[in-house]
Amino acid sequence: NAGVTQTPKFQVLKTGQSMTLQCAQDMNHNSMYWYRQDPGMGLRLIYYSASEGTTDKGEVPNGYNVSRLNKREFSLRLESAAPSQTSVYFCASSVEWVRGYNEQFFGPGTRLTVL
Amino acid sequence: GESVGLHLPTLSVQEGDNSIINCAYSNSASDYFIWYKQESGKGPQFIIDIRSNMDKRQGQRVTVLLNKTVKHLSLQIAATQPGDSAVYFCAPGGNMLTFGGGTRLMVKP
Repeated sequence: NAGVTQTPKFQVLKTGQSMTLQCAQDMNHNSMYWYRQDPGMGLRLIYYSASEGTTDKGEVPNGYNVSRLNKREFSLRLESAAPSQTSVYFCASSVEWVRGYNEQFFGPGTRLTVL
Repeated sequence: GESVGLHLPTLSVQEGDNSIINCAYSNSASDYFIWYKQESGKGPQFIIDIRSNMDKRQGQRVTVLLNKTVKHLSLQIAATQPGDSAVYFCAPGGNMLTFGGGTRLMVKP
């Protein structure tokens, strides 16, 4: 049981390049999330998927797109990377999107640098 | 939107002492709170949660206190160990978790 896995662990891009961050969970969770964490700051929600087949914007969605490929996988795409997207990206999952109970399990993160 | 803040960005304690990490929240409708621990280079890890119908909840070496009157949470860690060194976040639950900037706990040997 690997929990939440993310690939790649590190990535360096040039401005304007595109890439997709991959996330998978093996806990049979319905809900998945993408966050970014900038130095010395908390996590900010980019997009989430309450259940397979649905995605919604979070706090900072601009410049990103997501795909809930199946119940296990939730990818984050940067179409045209900008230096402001330099950050650590975390994927998370939870059993359900239920108000009042939302323990999330986090992956190890992807460290992205955009030059 | 929710506003979450922490009183102290860095807390330094001696190994074996008790630690208290504080957190304020602004939305009085928040009915569920989670504390996360984030070690350097890792993702956040769940520590303990508490619902708004409780004032106190205890786990293994950790206790969370909730004061709804002043919209304040605290995380108490008993007999702090070097392995407790990390950044701690409180996150009001609900549809979305909202993370503040965190408090860095440093444990001195």
